[in-house]
Amino acid sequence: DAKTTQPNSMESNEEEPVHLPCNHSTISGTDYIHWYRQLPSQGPEYVIHGLTSNVNNRMASLAIAEDRKSSTLILHRATLRDAAVYYCILDYGGATNKLIFGTGTLLAVQP
Amino acid sequence: DAGVIQSPRHEVTEMGQEVTLRCKPISGHNSLFWYRQTMMRGLELLIYFNNNVPIDDSGMPEDRFSAKMPNASFSTLKIQPSEPRDSAVYFCASSPDGSNTEAFFGQGTRLTVV
Repeated sequence: DAKTTQPNSMESNEEEPVHLPCNHSTISGTDYIHWYRQLPSQGPEYVIHGLTSNVNNRMASLAIAEDRKSSTLILHRATLRDAAVYYCILDYGGATNKLIFGTGTLLAVQP
Repeated sequence: DAGVIQSPRHEVTEMGQEVTLRCKPISGHNSLFWYRQTMMRGLELLIYFNNNVPIDDSGMPEDRFSAKMPNASFSTLKIQPSEPRDSAVYFCASSPDGSNTEAFFGQGTRLTVV
């Protein structure tokens, strides 16, 4: 099964952009790259996902390397509310999006 | 839609007792997932259903754990008998069909077994 590697923790300053990296060197051609985040004392929430092309939504941007072996979640202007654990997950495909969570990156945002 | 609804939010029980956790998925979602989260093991997928049928229960830790989905709007996770090491936050999630979709998580049930 393809796995992801993320830094354990990162720090950012409020109002500045944040780039959260994820390595997935054994990704298969049909695996979608999903990002979820978990705020303190809450369930995980969807952030963004993509397959090959870069993706943008109101929360973030997802930049996917051309060889798809890595990706970067970009928060354009971090706020204190963005402090959370961010998970990069490969969807193993099929009829159901079976999400296997790793340890994620704990993002701290300083005022 | 109110989102994925889990009950109870908190449960404290004595070792050996039966515990039942409940989940109401988002209407129209065909897939339902049960996860467990602890500090030591992180978020673990226990079991998931598609169209009310259990597809993969390989994450269920022991025979003491069982899950059912009698209809599209309700699922239960039961632990019998419960043990202190079952203490964790249990999350339920639902999603539409397909791998190109978003999963929605409930607020979780914090279970404490004393």
